[in-house]
Amino acid sequence: KAGVTQTPRYLIKTRGQQVTLSCSPISGHRSVSWYQQTPGQGLQFLFEYFSETQRNKGNFPGRFSGRQFSNSRSEMNVSTLELGDSALYLCASSPRTGGVGYTFGSGTRLTVV
Amino acid sequence: DQQVKQNSPSLSVQEGRISILNCDYTNSMFDYFLWYKKYPAEGPTFLISISSIKDKNEDGRFTVFLNKSAKHLSLHIVPSQPGDSAVYFCAASASGTYKYIFGTGTRLKVLA
Repeated sequence: KAGVTQTPRYLIKTRGQQVTLSCSPISGHRSVSWYQQTPGQGLQFLFEYFSETQRNKGNFPGRFSGRQFSNSRSEMNVSTLELGDSALYLCASSPRTGGVGYTFGSGTRLTVV
Repeated sequence: DQQVKQNSPSLSVQEGRISILNCDYTNSMFDYFLWYKKYPAEGPTFLISISSIKDKNEDGRFTVFLNKSAKHLSLHIVPSQPGDSAVYFCAASASGTYKYIFGTGTRLKVLA
């Protein structure tokens, strides 16, 4: 069973640009969640999508957005990049049947210069 | 407002001894807790979970204890092995939210 696939693995962007990250969940998983990991902050919840609908949202500015497609693949977009957006962005999928944790991808390392 | 706290950023333990990683939470609605392990350049991997109806869950060398009155959980690794060296995150969730709040992680180093 293939795991959660995130592309690209590494990305370098300049301030003010926008970026799109992609996540393919485990086959059959309909829930995709996104997290931002920065040193000292742990994993900060961005949002969760289930059946193409955003079900949960964390405390991030509107520059962070996402969407989910009918095949459960998800994309996350960050517009007007700031230096502080440099982080590891992790995607996690779940069958969302309750009492089950996530399976994480390896993440996309975004560096904003 | 950090609802899930891991107050020890790092921990060093000798191989073969017990590792105890601690986690505190503030939200009394949390009723499901997980531990994840993360190696560099990889995503976190699920380790063990516990629901609030239990106070202990064991899986091989890993045991998680939950003290609901203290809003505290701990992960015990016995015996610790060098391959256990990683960052450990605890996470908590409230029923039906499907949103996990993670702690900031504890870096465990097991010395050979």
